Amino acid sequence: NAGVTQTPKFQVLKTGQSMTLQCAQDMNHEYMSWYRQDPGMGLRLIHYSVGAGITDQGEVPNGYNVSRSTTEDFPLRLLSAAPSQTSVYFCASTLGGTDTQYFGPGTRLTVL
Amino acid sequence: AQTVTQSQPEMSVQEAETVTLSCTYDTSENNYYLFWYKQPPSRQMILVIRQEAYKQQNATENRFSVNFQKAAKSFSLKISDSQLGDTAMYFCALARFTGTASKLTFGTGTRLQVTL
Repeated sequence: NAGVTQTPKFQVLKTGQSMTLQCAQDMNHEYMSWYRQDPGMGLRLIHYSVGAGITDQGEVPNGYNVSRSTTEDFPLRLLSAAPSQTSVYFCASTLGGTDTQYFGPGTRLTVL
Repeated sequence: AQTVTQSQPEMSVQEAETVTLSCTYDTSENNYYLFWYKQPPSRQMILVIRQEAYKQQNATENRFSVNFQKAAKSFSLKISDSQLGDTAMYFCALARFTGTASKLTFGTGTRLQVTL
């Protein structure tokens, strides 16, 4: 199993550009989440999904969209990038609600 | 709302010594889970240890153990026989299960440096 994979590993955007961060898992996990990590603030939940077709907002959802068309994939979309979205983004998945979340390797995003 | 507090931004320990990282939390839930994650310079988030709140026995994983004090809402991590490879950021996290999702709340992390 590859586990949780994320692409790209690094990305630089200009303000106002859009892009999609990809996340995929091959563990047949129902639950998937996106977090952002900023210096001195730990990881914060952006959006999460409890299964294909079901998504919900986390702690810091503004400026981000998600969709879950399959169990395996959970992309995160930035519609109009802003410098405040410069961060490291982690995708995570878990089999069930009480299980351990497994994290992808992260994407470092810089918005100029 | 739930919060996780790590009051030690940085710590240092000599190789082979023991170090304890502190974590306190606040939640109104009775059913929750606590985790310690390690983040080395590679940036990968690696699970170190997990504790179910309903279990009184402290979790142990090889050189890593926790001191879980539910009444005090404290969850410290003890690393015994520290190794250079333990150098990393350590995050304490609290998982609240809402019935439809497991939401993690993280502390701000403790940077641990293991020295020779």
